[in-house]
Amino acid sequence: QVQLVESGGGLVKPGGSLRLSCAASGFTFSDYYMSWIRQAPGKGLEWVSYISSSSSYTNYADSVKGRFTISRDNAKNSLYLQMNSLRAEDTAVYYCARDMRTVTTGYFDLWGRGTLVTVSS
Amino acid sequence: SYVLTQPPSVSVAPGKTARITCGGNNIGSKSVHWYQQKPGQAPVLVIYYDSDRPSGIPERFSGSNSGNTATLTISRVEAGDEADYYCQVWDSSSDHEVFGTGTKVTVL
Repeated sequence: QVQLVESGGGLVKPGGSLRLSCAASGFTFSDYYMSWIRQAPGKGLEWVSYISSSSSYTNYADSVKGRFTISRDNAKNSLYLQMNSLRAEDTAVYYCARDMRTVTTGYFDLWGRGTLVTVSS
Repeated sequence: SYVLTQPPSVSVAPGKTARITCGGNNIGSKSVHWYQQKPGQAPVLVIYYDSDRPSGIPERFSGSNSGNTATLTISRVEAGDEADYYCQVWDSSSDHEVFGTGTKVTVL
């Protein structure tokens, strides 16, 4: 079954850290770019970060650059997001998504159910 | 940074046609992708490369893109189409993915 399952969300204090994981199954994980996308409560979608299939390339939204780090372990079919220096505005549901990246575009054809991160004292 | 603007809401009667616009500077030169998100669920891709439909998406969903506006069209609207819809492009200048502001479709 082709699926993505996120985990690792929870309640964290401002300034704290959290590591999200995304387990992939049913497809050749190492063939695909992957992305993290988030959605604050009652708000729209915001792309957070992507990583290339071999981890050679990464990029981040300006809102998280320098605080978040994306990584992957192709042997474990897993994607990660290390989140440091968390702020209240990072509160959101975080989705991992398969990124159908080409040289001219990219879109997300497979999404996980998401994991909720709440940053609050 | 590249900005995509959508109307906050669109209302449509069952059986009629809903059109959701996505405005961006020269968006016609980019590939536009569309997602449907129902309450409490993850987004689902409904249109990619402006007008292609993934398998399993009804033919009632179609897309177009020209000039400064891309459009998602839902024909013969059903109650089950009630959802939030987001457009998305890749901004080559920043190598960032960009989502539109989202449109809530209400079936009357």
